[in-house]
Amino acid sequence: GNSVTQMEGPVTLSEEAFLTINCTYTATGYPSLFWYVQYPGEGLQLLLKATKADDKGSNKGFEATYRKETTSFHLEKGSVQVSDSAVYFCALSDREGNNRLAFGKGNQVVVIP
Amino acid sequence: NAGVMQNPRHLVRRRGQEARLRCSPMKGHSHVYWYRQLPEEGLKFMVYLQKENIIDESGMPKERFSAEFPKEGPSILRIQQVVRGDSAAYFCASSPPLAGGIVEQYFGPGTRLTVT
Repeated sequence: GNSVTQMEGPVTLSEEAFLTINCTYTATGYPSLFWYVQYPGEGLQLLLKATKADDKGSNKGFEATYRKETTSFHLEKGSVQVSDSAVYFCALSDREGNNRLAFGKGNQVVVIP
Repeated sequence: NAGVMQNPRHLVRRRGQEARLRCSPMKGHSHVYWYRQLPEEGLKFMVYLQKENIIDESGMPKERFSAEFPKEGPSILRIQQVVRGDSAAYFCASSPPLAGGIVEQYFGPGTRLTVT
């Protein structure tokens, strides 16, 4: 079945630092890949997506590239702000799975001033 | 255009009681998904519904849990005889029809269920 693996543990970094959150996936078909962000007490918001190999999703300074050869979709941002503090989830879905999303466990990101 | 609405936002139930969670999809969306988020975990798919039809319930526990999406009104996730292990955040998402492809799901703010 489909699954998503995110790096373990929270991420704490200083403002303006470079952020990377690793995400790898296992899927039988050709999934679409997503990053969702969850701010405290809120639901998930779609941050960016990529629907085929080599696509790059980008939004609000965040980027992720769909790498089929390494089955990865790592999230990056060049210069984080305190307002980027949130939980970030990597997810995938595919047509065979009725569009349902399979999520990674999420990474808590804390940006300190 | 209002987003996905869920109520209540917080629900406290004693063991053995019933919990009813409601979800109103975005206007124009006919597909609803329910996910459960246990503490320190990612979201897990539970069920996918269209109006008056369950499409995929492969993630639903076999007992005590049921879901519906009637022709009129919100989608309901019902948990009978709740136990402490049901304590979690339950998120609803909606989407337009799939039309053969992958479509974005829009999430509600969630219902946080606490079983005492």
